Amino acid sequence: DIVMTQSPDSLAVSLGERATINCKSSQSVLYSSNKKNYLAWYQQKPGQPPKLLIYWASTRESGVPDRFSGSGSGTDFTLTISSLQAEDVAVYHCQQYYSTAPYSFGQGTKLEIK
Amino acid sequence: QVQLQESGPGLVKPSQTLSLTCTVSGGSISSGSYYWSWIRQPAGKGLEWIGRIYTSESTNYNPSLKSRVTISVDTSKNQFFLRLSSVIAADTAVYYCARDIVGPMDVWGKGTTVTVSS
Repeated sequence: DIVMTQSPDSLAVSLGERATINCKSSQSVLYSSNKKNYLAWYQQKPGQPPKLLIYWASTRESGVPDRFSGSGSGTDFTLTISSLQAEDVAVYHCQQYYSTAPYSFGQGTKLEIK
Repeated sequence: QVQLQESGPGLVKPSQTLSLTCTVSGGSISSGSYYWSWIRQPAGKGLEWIGRIYTSESTNYNPSLKSRVTISVDTSKNQFFLRLSSVIAADTAVYYCARDIVGPMDVWGKGTTVTVSS
């Protein structure tokens, strides 16, 4: 299995400040033939299902504000919220889809307002 | 737009079989290059992918659950299904169905809570 590890487990950031969440995979999720990183990010608010934010490590899903960005390659990835808004309070999950045996998620990072 | 809705018993006894249905509305389950996945989340914990189906002949399962899981589809009803046998307390979770765009999951149901208890 590919193990996904997020850091930190929780994070408190002031409104308007930058928030950075990291995700590390136990093996590379970069597919050499197409140079794509098989990595997605989700946002999950309390009592709601996850919402897809980013796929291919850096492609924003339609309708996702541009303050959300994804970066990284290989085994190390970052989700950045450039200017934290109150509605961004949530748990954020990374997911690798390089291997379907199985797909795997990080443990989640809880983002709060400082 | 496409919407997914999970349904099934909220309480299952240990050793019995958990059976859930995901009903797809707003689009055909057999159109497009989509897989259809099941994911679960124990209270306060992370997400665990259970498995997915493309056609009735094409499924992928989490190896940790493979011996107990069956995912099937009924295209005439626009539904897909999850069966998890020999359940134990650790199977207690919120169960989600989702549309799988060959990796990322872009549409999710609201989830249904299943408790395993006698």
